[in-house]
Amino acid sequence: QPVLTQSSSASASLGSSVRLTCTLSSGHSRYIITWHQQQPGKAPRYLMNLEHSGNYNKGSGVPDRFSGSSSGADRYLTISNLQSDDEADYYCETWDSNTHVFGGGTKLTVL
Amino acid sequence: EVQLVESGGGLVQPGGSLRLSCVVSGSTFTTYSMSWVRQAPGKGLEWVASIRLDGSEKYYVDSVKGRFTISRDNAKNSLYLQMNSLRAEDTAVYYCAKNHVLYGRGWYYWYFDLWGRGTLVTVSS
Repeated sequence: QPVLTQSSSASASLGSSVRLTCTLSSGHSRYIITWHQQQPGKAPRYLMNLEHSGNYNKGSGVPDRFSGSSSGADRYLTISNLQSDDEADYYCETWDSNTHVFGGGTKLTVL
Repeated sequence: EVQLVESGGGLVQPGGSLRLSCVVSGSTFTTYSMSWVRQAPGKGLEWVASIRLDGSEKYYVDSVKGRFTISRDNAKNSLYLQMNSLRAEDTAVYYCAKNHVLYGRGWYYWYFDLWGRGTLVTVSS
């Protein structure tokens, strides 16, 4: 099964950009991943799927400020023009052989 | 607009049972595979179980196999999770999640594209 590794925390200033990373384990570098956002006290929200090629497709209503990219086993979520509402936990997810796997999540603080 | 609403959570003693429900509204339930995902207090997300369209295929995380059963009633637009032999480590918010599938040339990929608000299960004496 793949393992997804995320930094536990990140921070950036209001109005700036931040890039969050999700790294796939060895042998799984071509897997698709999914990014989810979880604001404090709320349910998760689907953001996008992201392929090895860097192609991504976002969920309905996800702002243009959110984008995805890839490099090898790394999958990135970039948030531009950070807003206070972007302060949240961000989880990556993947699927293999009828099993879903989550990364540990990155807590994003907007300064 | 599709909505998922969970219910059935509560306080239960270790070794006890609980049945969670999730009602899906706003779309055709029979076209979706569904899952349960949980989140222990202060922790990350953990997939628990999934069920395909007609209920013929069910999948579970190892830690709940033999104790939890996922099911669905397509006539009632409802998803269920029967939880038996509950342990303290099962304490979590349980989310109902709608699955979607991406198809490619010779491959497919399942992911969660919509979440409910969750229901809290507390296992404690």
